Amino acid sequence: ETGVTQTPRHLVMGMTNKKSLKCEQHLGHNAMYWYKQSAKKPLELMFVYSLEERVENNSVPSRFSPECPNSSHLFLHLHTLQPEDSALYLCASSQEDRDGTEAFFGQGTRLTVV
Amino acid sequence: AQSVTQLDSQVPVFEEAPVELRCNYSSSVSVYLFWYVQYPNQGLQLLLKYLSGSTLVKGINGFEAEFNKSQTSFHLRKPSVHISDTAEYFCAVSSTGGGNKLTFGTGTQLKVEL
Repeated sequence: ETGVTQTPRHLVMGMTNKKSLKCEQHLGHNAMYWYKQSAKKPLELMFVYSLEERVENNSVPSRFSPECPNSSHLFLHLHTLQPEDSALYLCASSQEDRDGTEAFFGQGTRLTVV
Repeated sequence: AQSVTQLDSQVPVFEEAPVELRCNYSSSVSVYLFWYVQYPNQGLQLLLKYLSGSTLVKGINGFEAEFNKSQTSFHLRKPSVHISDTAEYFCAVSSTGGGNKLTFGTGTQLKVEL
């Protein structure tokens, strides 16, 4: 399997649930990202991991908790979410030490909070 | 800080007609520029990118874009569109020497009609 794979593709959860999104990249990249895509808004960069260390956290609420156990895997742990958190969550990877290289995206997880 | 503006949220066009999707950016440093395409229920796929050199960049599926530094623009064009080009198109920038974190525009929905 190649590229960036996200699971699950769809997730419906209640506001009191705890769930996790998973991302796996098979490209040998050393940086991974979580983006949030909401309707009519620019893609919002949530977290950046470079060499397995979180290097950026764009003021994301604490109900979103990322985890990067190794350079190939990235998780987004979710708890006590709000309806406005419903969105498409995209994972991406890139080679951080090669300027100008593009990010490769997974197909996303469509999250609905009820 | 950098930003990307895509003025057209929707562009309807007839099949086999030419199309231009507009993108303007602002940045205090030199940038790399990207166009991504997103088909329904999919992640983002790179169409083309500008790093340096020739200002006219050719990408996949017959698309091309021209970098205009004086106008801070990177418009995407295709001389003859097909029904299968119906998708959302995102312009993005990353700063030189700043890693590969992308700043995206709000996207343009291209709808190709018969």
